Amino acid sequence: EDQVTQSPEALRLQEGESSSLNCSYTVSGLRGLFWYRQDPGKGPEFLFTLYSAGEEKEKERLKATLTKKESFLHITAPKPEDSATYLCAVQAGAASGSARQLTFGSGTQLTVLP
Amino acid sequence: GAVVSQHPSWVICKSGTSVKIECRSLDFQATTMFWYRQFPKQSLMLMATSNEGSKATYEQGVEKDKFLINHASLTLSTLTVTSAHPEDSSFYICSARVVDRPYEQYFGPGTRLTVT
Repeated sequence: EDQVTQSPEALRLQEGESSSLNCSYTVSGLRGLFWYRQDPGKGPEFLFTLYSAGEEKEKERLKATLTKKESFLHITAPKPEDSATYLCAVQAGAASGSARQLTFGSGTQLTVLP
Repeated sequence: GAVVSQHPSWVICKSGTSVKIECRSLDFQATTMFWYRQFPKQSLMLMATSNEGSKATYEQGVEKDKFLINHASLTLSTLTVTSAHPEDSSFYICSARVVDRPYEQYFGPGTRLTVT
């Protein structure tokens, strides 16, 4: 059974204080690891897809990295507008070769204080 | 690109009535769409997988007669909550898988359902 664990559950940072969010996963045949941002009352907003260990992707103040067991979302010099819940999800490949559905972690609620 | 819309964004209905929620992929074709439910401060729970032109696949514990899913075209899936009760009140979110990129999903903005 695919499992995704995110830590910490909640994180409060001062503006400009860099930090990292963790996503540990157990999945057979990883096809992709996804990071989403979700604001209250809205659907998840796609941030990154990582496909293989060693891969890194960046977008503004965010950088996502992937190893064989976990992924990190690094936030550099965060601003209050980065406050949101960050969700990690994995997708495994099915025996037929098609993709299975996403398995989500419980999320990290990030609050950046001005 | 890869925009998914949902309608309505919120709905209030009386107990016993049915409510239909639409999910549309606006700028791409989606052979597969997913319906999720999310409770406050919790992550997304997959309800069902909807494939265009065929019956939806429901997750264990989800009542298929209560949550009717129709995926009539490559850009539209609908979720109908039948005979709604207060415990069905929740945030419903759909997502769509891009046809030529099966390992990417894009989410709609969600629909807040309140049953009184």
